[in-house]
Amino acid sequence: NAGVTQTPKFRVLKTGQSMTLLCAQDMNHEYMYWYRQDPGMGLRLIHYSVGEGTTAKGEVPDGYNVSRLKKQNFLLGLESAAPSQTSVYFCASSYVFGTGEKNTEAFFGQGTRLTVV
Amino acid sequence: AQSVTQLGSHVSVSEGALVLLRCNYSSSVPPYLFWYVQYPNQGLQLLLKYTSAATLVKGINGFEAEFKKSETSFHLTKPSAHMSDAAEYFCAVSDYTGNQFYFGTGTSLTVIP
Repeated sequence: NAGVTQTPKFRVLKTGQSMTLLCAQDMNHEYMYWYRQDPGMGLRLIHYSVGEGTTAKGEVPDGYNVSRLKKQNFLLGLESAAPSQTSVYFCASSYVFGTGEKNTEAFFGQGTRLTVV
Repeated sequence: AQSVTQLGSHVSVSEGALVLLRCNYSSSVPPYLFWYVQYPNQGLQLLLKYTSAATLVKGINGFEAEFKKSETSFHLTKPSAHMSDAAEYFCAVSDYTGNQFYFGTGTSLTVIP
């Protein structure tokens, strides 16, 4: 059971380059999330999706775009990378809220470490 | 609005000593509360969760947490620290009306031999 898989695991970009991070989940979850983790700041939500074809902004959406064309995939794009986007990016997924007390937590991928030089 | 405050960004304990990691939350509705652990260069793994059943919740690796509504707290404890407990710990909150998780800034636990 793979759970949540992120691709790639590591990447170095030059300022101004673009890239797409892929997140895939095999748990049939409706909700998917992209977070960034920076020292001393915990996890901050970038964008999220409550279902196929829908996306919404989180706390720090600037400089990022997302797409959820298929239920199992959630893509995070950086159109023009900046050094401030150097971070560790985590994808997570969860069931629809309110479907039962057993189905409440988020499941995380292993992260993508991105460095922008 | 919901939020989580973790007191103490770094906690050091001796091997065999009590572990206490503090978490206070703010929520306008009954919350779901979580503790996650992150080992170096890995993702977040669920330790335990509170979902309005028993207020004392037991998790993996001997950890437990108690939901105290009057104190809006959900502190994480373990009676005896082990070297393998060294990691980053995150408290998080959500509720059935929303569709997001709100995380604290994390507490780094160091276990001294």
